[in-house]
Amino acid sequence: DQQVKQNSPSLSVQEGRISILNCDYTNSMFDYFLWYKKYPAEGPTFLISISSIKDKNEDGRFTVFLNKSAKHLSLHIVPSQPGDSAVYFCAASFNTGRRALTFGSGTRLQVQP
Amino acid sequence: NAGVTQTPKFRILKIGQSMTLQCTQDMNHNYMYWYRQDPGMGLKLIYYSVGAGITDKGEVPNGYNVSRSTTEDFPLRLELAAPSQTSVYFCASSSGTGNEKLFFGSGTQLSVL
Repeated sequence: DQQVKQNSPSLSVQEGRISILNCDYTNSMFDYFLWYKKYPAEGPTFLISISSIKDKNEDGRFTVFLNKSAKHLSLHIVPSQPGDSAVYFCAASFNTGRRALTFGSGTRLQVQP
Repeated sequence: NAGVTQTPKFRILKIGQSMTLQCTQDMNHNYMYWYRQDPGMGLKLIYYSVGAGITDKGEVPNGYNVSRSTTEDFPLRLELAAPSQTSVYFCASSSGTGNEKLFFGSGTQLSVL
């Protein structure tokens, strides 16, 4: 049972344009949502997060939107840069218990110069 | 600032061999995790620990064992390696205070042949 889903395995955008990465989840009890970025041969690194009580969080070029009624979140990158090319993982967690992250399968973003 | 350190980076095992993947963190985090990532998939939780002396199973614990004798170290043991354990293994840690990110190591690429 995949509780966090990323249905687009890959995405290609032009430098300077907007990148939109999508994520759906099934468990409405998740408290916290995160996006991680991963380069080859490296561990995932934290990018941005959002609490379940909010609908938007912005950090520089990165904005995460949360739509709880649709159980959907998205990551917007504006403007996209070639250095943003990586695999992006959506993740969700609870604020109690083990507090482990449940990950989606990832979306590979390619930003073309 | 080392963060989460994993060793080794690469390892090839023969079927039936045993090995220990090492993980240490210098952030005084209580919570530590082991994940595995198979190609094209998200990260799956193997085991976790909420403090020294306390460990518990995640979603995919079969074939693995862990121990947590200190706050800093959380080794993962493979007793009888099988080809299904070919994967990339990531260790992570967090303070466990809620609504927080996990910090990941750079991973161990393991092949069982």
